[in-house]
Amino acid sequence: AQSVTQPDIHITVSEGASLELRCNYSYGATPYLFWYVQSPGQGLQLLLKYFSGDTLVQGIKGFEAEFKRSQSSFNLRKPSVHWSDAAEYFCAVGAQNGANNLFFGTGTRLTVIP
Amino acid sequence: SQTIHQWPATLVQPVGSPLSLECTVEGTSNPNLYWYRQAAGRGLQLLFYSVGIGQISSEVPQNLSASRPQDRQFILSSKKLLLSDSGFYLCAWSVLSSQGTGELFFGEGSRLTVL
Repeated sequence: AQSVTQPDIHITVSEGASLELRCNYSYGATPYLFWYVQSPGQGLQLLLKYFSGDTLVQGIKGFEAEFKRSQSSFNLRKPSVHWSDAAEYFCAVGAQNGANNLFFGTGTRLTVIP
Repeated sequence: SQTIHQWPATLVQPVGSPLSLECTVEGTSNPNLYWYRQAAGRGLQLLFYSVGIGQISSEVPQNLSASRPQDRQFILSSKKLLLSDSGFYLCAWSVLSSQGTGELFFGEGSRLTVL
């Protein structure tokens, strides 16, 4: 069965610093992987996705993620964090079944300090 | 372009009262539709999904039900709310691609507080 682990519940970084959010997945085949961002009280917005091909994927808002099969990881990175990046970030793995649904991690809350 | 609307945005209901949350999608046809619940400090839990009109699958046993009366309409209901039904409910849609799993597009969410 698919599962996603985000080991960091809360991360605090200074504005301008680099960021890496960790995500580990469990899946028996080649996974489809996603990162979403959620601002308080809002829905989820897709940052980026990995289906196949280049293991380093670029997303919106300057984010990127790297798929590492050997480590079952899909970590999200940004070289320089902006105050507006403060939000909750969710990693998800796609289910290859008729439901076409996603399994989400429990999220990482990012706080950005000036 | 495709859009998804979800309402009401906020709802405060007494225990034992009924519930109806509505979600509609525009700009696409025959989408897969989903209801997720997000409890405080937790991830997203899939409640229901639908691959077509009248076709509903439930992922967890609960006090809630879902219906899809039209292609782009998805409704989450309850006859009698429980305190444990409080949470943030998210509707989402996707289109099944040849690759099998596409991304989900989410509505803005509905905050339900049961008192």
